[in-house]
Amino acid sequence: GQQVMQIPQYQHVQEGEDFTTYCNSSTTLSNIQWYKQRPGGHPVFLIQLVKSGEVKKQKRLTFQFGEAKKNSSLHITATQTTDVGTYFCARSGGSNYKLTFGKGTLLTVNP
Amino acid sequence: NAGVTQTPKFRILKIGQSMTLQCTQDMNHNYMYWYRQDPGMGLKLIYYSVGAGITDKGEVPNGYNVSRSTTEDFPLRLELAAPSQTSVYFCASSYDGQGRSGANVLTFGAGSRLTVL
Repeated sequence: GQQVMQIPQYQHVQEGEDFTTYCNSSTTLSNIQWYKQRPGGHPVFLIQLVKSGEVKKQKRLTFQFGEAKKNSSLHITATQTTDVGTYFCARSGGSNYKLTFGKGTLLTVNP
Repeated sequence: NAGVTQTPKFRILKIGQSMTLQCTQDMNHNYMYWYRQDPGMGLKLIYYSVGAGITDKGEVPNGYNVSRSTTEDFPLRLELAAPSQTSVYFCASSYDGQGRSGANVLTFGAGSRLTVL
């Protein structure tokens, strides 16, 4: 239904390594949003993708929306300790104001 | 702008007690939401509101009540606290037309950590 599955649930990397988290849906997505939550903090919006095959970059972060609009990925190049946190994807259902979140991927970075 | 403000930040309740989590936003957003976050479980929608006087249930509404008498405020009430309501609660808000397309973008408060013993 409206669920989005995120993998992996956890990822531990050495500083400088790359990191990728995936968000998958069994149904076609109208859009996908990504949020970051630092430890002890609150979710903060990163980006929204709406077009098939769309790729957006924010410095070391690359966001992709699949051609079939059923999956999305977030890739971080050369991780830093400031990247630590949980990354959530979120989708809207029949209405644009109601979001369903994935369970998130917790990223830890060893300095 | 303060954004979305939640109080209290922390609270310990005994089983059966009642309390209200306060949420206010100063951005004139028409939509407001309450989510709960449990470890490893993501964010689950409790209740939401599309405007003053209008509220609706989300995914996990049992044990909670809300009201929206003004655009700014959206309090969440727990009537008979249970250990299963131990969680971190986030209030959020959004408005239509934030982007040319896509869904509304949520602005979250700092969260309220509730423990029920």
